[in-house]
Amino acid sequence: EIVLKQSPATLSLSPGERATLSCRASQSVSSYLAWYQQRPGQAPRLLIFDASKRAAGIPARFSGSGSGTDFTLTISSLEPEDFAVYYCQQRSNLYAFGQGTKLEIK
Amino acid sequence: VQLVESGGGLVQPGRSLRLSCTASGFTFGDYDMSWFRQAPGKGLEWVGFIRSKPDGGTTEYATSVKGRFIISRDDSKTVAYLQMNSLKNEDTAVYYCRALLEWLGLDYWGQGTLVTVSS
Repeated sequence: EIVLKQSPATLSLSPGERATLSCRASQSVSSYLAWYQQRPGQAPRLLIFDASKRAAGIPARFSGSGSGTDFTLTISSLEPEDFAVYYCQQRSNLYAFGQGTKLEIK
Repeated sequence: VQLVESGGGLVQPGRSLRLSCTASGFTFGDYDMSWFRQAPGKGLEWVGFIRSKPDGGTTEYATSVKGRFIISRDDSKTVAYLQMNSLKNEDTAVYYCRALLEWLGLDYWGQGTLVTVSS
């Protein structure tokens, strides 16, 4: 079973700042890692797939990087609508999610 | 584009429930269909998926539901199903369906349906 650990659990930033979220896998998932955003009361939405590919309709301020066991989601300049919970998810061995990072307004 | 889940509600432990996910506005048969759930105040959990027929139509399940839950699809009706048997209290969650065109990273989600397992 592959376990994903996200850090930090909570990230407090201001609009316009850069956000860096991390996801570490217990074993290599190659590039089979995705990032999702979930706003309160809403379904999740896919942001990044295969570690670095932006999903359809996702703004360019979202970018993903990494391979193997260490991955990063970067939001270059935070917009008010970006404050949400972010999950990483691997599809190397079935599916599994990290526990989430809450991005909150400072 | 729309995905609408239905069939949620209150059910006693040990009983069964079937959720439906009705799709419209896209070529349903081309998409892998997944089910996820989220217990109150908790994170996301993958439940299982069924591949598109072109990709074999096979299913995969999370360990927590394997042997109890069954996912199926009817492409002619553009519906995916989640048959949940031998329900447990810990199956209480909002259940989401998701359609994914994996190679393109194109996904659609339903609004979620609440399943409460309680006596």
